[in-house]
Amino acid sequence: GQQLNQSPQSMFIQEGEDVSMNCTSSSIFNTWLWYKQDPGEGPVLLIALYKAGELTSNGRLTAQFGITRKDSFLNISASIPSDVGIYFCAGQLRSGGSNYKLTFGKGTLLTVNP
Amino acid sequence: NAGVTQTPKFQVLKTGQSMTLQCAQDMNHEYMSWYRQDPGMGLRLIHYSVGAGITDQGEVPNGYNVSRSTTEDFPLRLLSAAPSQTSVYFCASSYKNRAGGWNTEAFFGQGTRLTVV
Repeated sequence: GQQLNQSPQSMFIQEGEDVSMNCTSSSIFNTWLWYKQDPGEGPVLLIALYKAGELTSNGRLTAQFGITRKDSFLNISASIPSDVGIYFCAGQLRSGGSNYKLTFGKGTLLTVNP
Repeated sequence: NAGVTQTPKFQVLKTGQSMTLQCAQDMNHEYMSWYRQDPGMGLRLIHYSVGAGITDQGEVPNGYNVSRSTTEDFPLRLLSAAPSQTSVYFCASSYKNRAGGWNTEAFFGQGTRLTVV
């Protein structure tokens, strides 16, 4: 099956710093999604990308859909303590009738020191 | 404003017991799915459904059954619980997005933490 490599696995940063994380795939996707999961909660969708090269922002978050369709990155600017959590990338490939399955990366654990 | 509701939030089972994890959504979403989350493994798809009466297997379906008799409900059944099924289970629902016919798991429940001893 499709494999997603998400890096880094974890990050420890100071409040106010910018953060960058990325996902790469062995095969192409038609949609890239970024989620955040707080402890004890379910993932919450942050940004969805639908076209190669697309750059989308959501407040201090910016994500891009790679031109090759095999990668995506997420940037967080001016981090704050509430950014702490696990960030997941997910890819979706339209394949015949199965156009709703998501493949998830293993997550990036972000810790922000005040 | 309930969104996706999962019950129970916590459950302990003995090996061999059966149980059903409940999932309900009130957004009239056609698409629902079940994932399990294990440390260092991310989220893995167990089963999914594209509408009432239609279900299909995901990446890790063995040991689990699902049914979709209504749009709102998508229960996950463990037939004979095993310690390997100790995990956090998430239900999700989604709708067609602006790309046209492509669906994203936009809404997750809060999860059910299951321990099998």
